[in-house]
Amino acid sequence: EVQLVESGGGLVQPGGSLRLSCAASGFTLSNHWMTWVRQAPGKGLEWVANIKEDGSEKYYVDSVKGRFTISRDNAKNSLYLQMNSLRDEDTAVYYCARGRQTVYWGQGTMVTVSS
Amino acid sequence: DIVMTQTPLSSPVTLGQPASISCRSSQSLVHSDGNTYLSWLQQRPGQPPRLLIYKNSNRFSGVPDRFSGSGAGTDFTLKISRVEAEDVGVYYCMQATQFPYTFGQGTKLEIK
Repeated sequence: EVQLVESGGGLVQPGGSLRLSCAASGFTLSNHWMTWVRQAPGKGLEWVANIKEDGSEKYYVDSVKGRFTISRDNAKNSLYLQMNSLRDEDTAVYYCARGRQTVYWGQGTMVTVSS
Repeated sequence: DIVMTQTPLSSPVTLGQPASISCRSSQSLVHSDGNTYLSWLQQRPGQPPRLLIYKNSNRFSGVPDRFSGSGAGTDFTLKISRVEAEDVGVYYCMQATQFPYTFGQGTKLEIK
């Protein structure tokens, strides 16, 4: 059974940093692109970033470029999102998903940026 | 960036009746590889999104056959042949043809 479990969310002050993790099981991570998507409270979905199977290609939405870094460790079956210089508008539930077409989703982890 | 526009934003439907959601993209979603990377996702209240349809018209594993996707180029439609109570939620279209990937605003399906 495919499972994706996000962790690392929490409350952080503006300007702070957080590192999100996504533990994958039930499939071979190295065979799939991976995606981060976020959802602000009461709002719609926003694509955040993608990473190729071997990590050689990474893409970001403009609003996080230069602040967020997507990475992966296929040996550890894990996907990461390093978030720096956090802003109020980054407050959201962050989901990891398998594939560019988001075939499977995790339950999400909440990130709250507030002073 | 490709803008995805869904209509309607809210759809009250009677149980057992059909429902239809439209999604229009600001540019063609035909990829250079010939595929159209248009997906439909369902988000039930309090749940993460779930993939229903991928590459425009392919139903994902386990998705009931009352859900169908169609369209081409810039105009796409999700149809539910007979709405059931479990179909309540928000439906999103998403394009994965060109970075940055983008979602529609969401359509809330509710029972009359």
